[in-house]
Amino acid sequence: DAGVIQSPRHEVTEMGQEVTLRCKPISGHNSLFWYRQTMMRGLELLIYFNNNVPIDDSGMPEDRFSAKMPNASFSTLKIQPSEPRDSAVYFCASSYGTSGYNEQFFGPGTRLTVL
Amino acid sequence: EDKVVQSPLSLVVHEGDTVTLNCSYEVTNFRSLLWYKQEKKAPTFLFMLTSSGIEKKSGRLSSILDKKELFSILNITATQTGDSAIYLCAVEGWAGSYQLTFGKGTKLSVIP
Repeated sequence: DAGVIQSPRHEVTEMGQEVTLRCKPISGHNSLFWYRQTMMRGLELLIYFNNNVPIDDSGMPEDRFSAKMPNASFSTLKIQPSEPRDSAVYFCASSYGTSGYNEQFFGPGTRLTVL
Repeated sequence: EDKVVQSPLSLVVHEGDTVTLNCSYEVTNFRSLLWYKQEKKAPTFLFMLTSSGIEKKSGRLSSILDKKELFSILNITATQTGDSAIYLCAVEGWAGSYQLTFGKGTKLSVIP
């Protein structure tokens, strides 16, 4: 298996633009997590899905952020409009399990820079 | 609000030294504590701890949890340059739904 795949790997955009980050989880995994990592705040869980259903989005910073998982093999995290403070590395991770912690496998991350 | 505090923030040691990394936490309905290693890319899983006093070991790395005092330590013996990384501690809790809170990490640099 190729592991968790994220695209793009790097994105540089201007303030106000829409940004879409993509994730393909490991085949067979039924939980998917979106994280954001910055120097100031460390690694933060934004949202997680179980069986394509969003379970907890309390970590999503504000209405400008939205995430979808239309099927078991694809998820998007969208920021509209983007702001400079959204600059961070965004990780997607997947795991197999129905509740509680099951080892999460992280993708390589998308480094987002908003100018 | 759940909180995870790691110390030290940064550590520089020589190859062969032994290091101890600390993680203290406050969490609603504790379920487990996790250690990750992050090199240049994404975090990779090291250990999951759920019970006090039971040491988990993998090669030169070991970890133990104290649920009474709400902390964990990660030990690395005979450090090597390949151990240089950020070590992240995360705590899993339950507050109606799954909660996972990460510390800011300890940056370990091992010099030859």
